[in-house]
Amino acid sequence: GENVGLHLPTLSVQEGDNSIINCAYSNSASDYFIWYKQESGKGPQFIIDIRSNMDKRQGQRVTVLLNKTVKHLSLQIAATQPGDSAVYFCAEWQVNAGNNRKLIWGLGTSLAVNP
Amino acid sequence: DTEVTQTPKHLVMGMTNKKSLKCEQHMGHRAMYWYKQKAKKPPELMFVYSYEKLSINESVPSRFSPECPNSSLLNLHLHALQPEDSALYLCASSQENRDFETQYFGPGTRLLVL
Repeated sequence: GENVGLHLPTLSVQEGDNSIINCAYSNSASDYFIWYKQESGKGPQFIIDIRSNMDKRQGQRVTVLLNKTVKHLSLQIAATQPGDSAVYFCAEWQVNAGNNRKLIWGLGTSLAVNP
Repeated sequence: DTEVTQTPKHLVMGMTNKKSLKCEQHMGHRAMYWYKQKAKKPPELMFVYSYEKLSINESVPSRFSPECPNSSLLNLHLHALQPEDSALYLCASSQENRDFETQYFGPGTRLLVL
């Protein structure tokens, strides 16, 4: 049958807890990955990126982990705050046959932070 | 300054109308993008401009017509749209559409087609 109305995966956490958002990517040749945060009514906002020659990268309260063996990416948010409530997308850069680059987006995870 | 601006913020149009969406960036970026985003879905790429030339058209219907008048401006001309075209239209820019670039997004134009 046809999949319609797919749910956006939701992660609900308590304020102050750590959050982990996971993402599986498709192309083992992808060499650059980005996490975006999108708050309601706004455009996606860059959070952190990682190149394929790294396993881990840290920012302010955020850490991205890359496991190339299983093509898995995760975003860890420390001490989650109500302002972190948003939809989080992972994205990978891919090059097409014409040597043009475009982002391939994951489905997104909705993070809800309970006060 | 990492700002991409878009106008208008909201737009309601009938199926016979002609309207345009505008996007502007002053970061010196030479690649600009149009995306369409439906509720609870990731952005879908529509068009990529690199150095003011169209480099990617993701098989978008001709009722959407992009234009890049100069390196700072990107327009999306709309004509004879359908109700299913109602969505958030996002503009983004990056340095040159090369490796390891971050795309910066505007706030979007929320379009409703009646």
